[in-house]
Amino acid sequence: DSGVTQTPKHLITATGQRVTLRCSPRSGDLSVYWYQQSLDQGLQFLIQYYNGEERAKGNILERFSAQQFPDLHSELNLSSLELGDSALYFCASSASSGPHYEQYFGPGTRLTVT
Amino acid sequence: AQSVTQLDSHVSVSEGTPVLLRCNYSSSYSPSLFWYVQHPNKGLQLLLKYTSAATLVKGINGFEAEFKKSETSFHLTKPSAHMSDAAEYFCVVSLTGANNLFFGTGTRLTVIP
Repeated sequence: DSGVTQTPKHLITATGQRVTLRCSPRSGDLSVYWYQQSLDQGLQFLIQYYNGEERAKGNILERFSAQQFPDLHSELNLSSLELGDSALYFCASSASSGPHYEQYFGPGTRLTVT
Repeated sequence: AQSVTQLDSHVSVSEGTPVLLRCNYSSSYSPSLFWYVQHPNKGLQLLLKYTSAATLVKGINGFEAEFKKSETSFHLTKPSAHMSDAAEYFCVVSLTGANNLFFGTGTRLTVIP
């Protein structure tokens, strides 16, 4: 158990809908990262927050947004969902920012868009 | 630009025999390199990392990897495979100072009893 929690575990929704994925980092970790794992694209970095502020951005679509709250939990919002958004979404956390800090991954949220 | 290439999408070994999972990287700068493992229906777990210290890195569960700059390689090895090693393994690169990780396409390791 990494100490990172993600809810929900599974989510099934229809095209055009909007969903919110939630992540609670390990106690004391300030950085939160979001990743998408799909059969087409593999594992891709989406976005990073550090202590409430956006720190780095990867291949995140404009339909997607994220935020980190004062209690350091993070939410990833996916809107106008398309079939191709079906994937496993991972959250990771680290003590601080930078590659020297190990990222601890949550179990993921499996999103199915029908 | 930086990227990683995992040379084998699937590796199959017998229990008790050595494991070799191959990874080549390209990076314009001094990279940090990692190996992560993903067991079925689980999140990712860090096996080991290289961040410009010793070139031979020891990780968890008996795995190790050697950073070879001349060959731009970071192959993962284990002397003796165990059934519990069956999983997907990802080679990952990160630029020094950068925050995001770039994942390889993964190598699925099958261990035959």
